[in-house]
Amino acid sequence: NAGVTQTPKFQVLKTGQSMTLQCAQDMNHEYMSWYRQDPGMGLRLIHYSVGAGITDQGEVPNGYNVSRSTTEDFPLRLLSAAPSQTSVYFCASSGRGQGFPYEQYFGPGTRLTVT
Amino acid sequence: SQQGEEDPQALSIQEGENATMNCSYKTSINNLQWYRQNSGRGLVHLILIRSNEREKHSGRLRVTLDTSKKSSSLLITASRAADTASYFCATTNTGNQFYFGTGTSLTVIP
Repeated sequence: NAGVTQTPKFQVLKTGQSMTLQCAQDMNHEYMSWYRQDPGMGLRLIHYSVGAGITDQGEVPNGYNVSRSTTEDFPLRLLSAAPSQTSVYFCASSGRGQGFPYEQYFGPGTRLTVT
Repeated sequence: SQQGEEDPQALSIQEGENATMNCSYKTSINNLQWYRQNSGRGLVHLILIRSNEREKHSGRLRVTLDTSKKSSSLLITASRAADTASYFCATTNTGNQFYFGTGTSLTVIP
């Protein structure tokens, strides 16, 4: 199993550009999520999904869109990049039991710089 | 923000010593998890403790949970240089959302 994969590993964008960060998992997990990690802030949840066709906002959703058309894929779209979106982005997936997610498996991250 | 906090922010110990880090959180939880992150890598799950449990062990790891104080601690016994990493606690509530703490940076000196 590849686990959770993310592409690209690094990206530089100019302000106002858009792009999609890709995330895929091969563990048949229901739960998938996107986080951003900034120095001194820990990880903050951007969006999450509890199954194909179901998405919801996390703590910091503004400026980002997601969709979940399949169990395996959960892309994150930056609509109009801003310097404040410079960060490291992590995708994660998890099984669920009794309605709650279990331990999460993380991808290697995408380091995004917006100039 | 519902983010938790780890304490201390940074910890430096000698190899073979024990390392203890603490996590405080703000809301009622379903479970609490600890993760490790090596520099430049994604997070790796270490241990999960449910809200109705008070203590859990896994190898050299011991986790305690006090829901009345909204706090947890992670003890790493007989530390090794390979334990050098950042450690994060994460809580889940009834809303399927994870809230991560700000992390403890552990350095184990050989």
